[in-house]
Amino acid sequence: EAAVTQSPRNKVTVTGGNVTLSCRQTNSHNYMYWYRQDTGHGLRLIHYSYGAGNLQIGDVPDGYKATRTTQEDFFLLLELASPSQTSLYFCASSDARGGNSDYTFGSGTRLLVI
Amino acid sequence: KTQVEQSPQSLVVRQGENCVLQCNYSVTPDNHLRWFKQDTGKGLVSLTVLVHENDKTSNGRYSATLDKDAKHSTLHITATLLDDTATYICVVGDRGSALGRLHFGAGTQLIVIP
Repeated sequence: EAAVTQSPRNKVTVTGGNVTLSCRQTNSHNYMYWYRQDTGHGLRLIHYSYGAGNLQIGDVPDGYKATRTTQEDFFLLLELASPSQTSLYFCASSDARGGNSDYTFGSGTRLLVI
Repeated sequence: KTQVEQSPQSLVVRQGENCVLQCNYSVTPDNHLRWFKQDTGKGLVSLTVLVHENDKTSNGRYSATLDKDAKHSTLHITATLLDDTATYICVVGDRGSALGRLHFGAGTQLIVIP
């Protein structure tokens, strides 16, 4: 079954720590996205990609790097984690832009930076 | 500036009752609008997508309308069930972006009580 799988489900790290969030999709989608979700806000786009090796900056990229190593795999890197990055992170994939796109979201990674 | 506003912020209904959720947006241009359901701590699941002016869609007990002139959408849930307890998120896609950028509302939290 086509899906978007995120790991880990939960992560705790200290301020200044190094964190990598992983996302794998089996949808054969070209586009992949990283979002963060915070109380009172809609999901906000951090980085996105339209294929292996491609990376685009989203709306809230500061403090985050990302890498798309293959069609399937998209990673979010926090090299110097800060408490403001405590959030629920979602990865998503889509097959095209516009109304006909099939968007699939992962189950989320909850990150706590202490 | 928030471009997608949802109301009410939260709503409590009794099982079996109907409810209506509202979404107003200022995203321009507006390519399509989606409604997602998010169970607590889980990923987003697409309920329906509306693309054209005055679109109406139906998906079981969920039905939705879109008025592009007014930049307004409604999600109707009929005969609510306890499992409908979730956050419902309105998302507008803009066709101006090369990757069909999504603009997320903060969601309406629906609680269905026995």
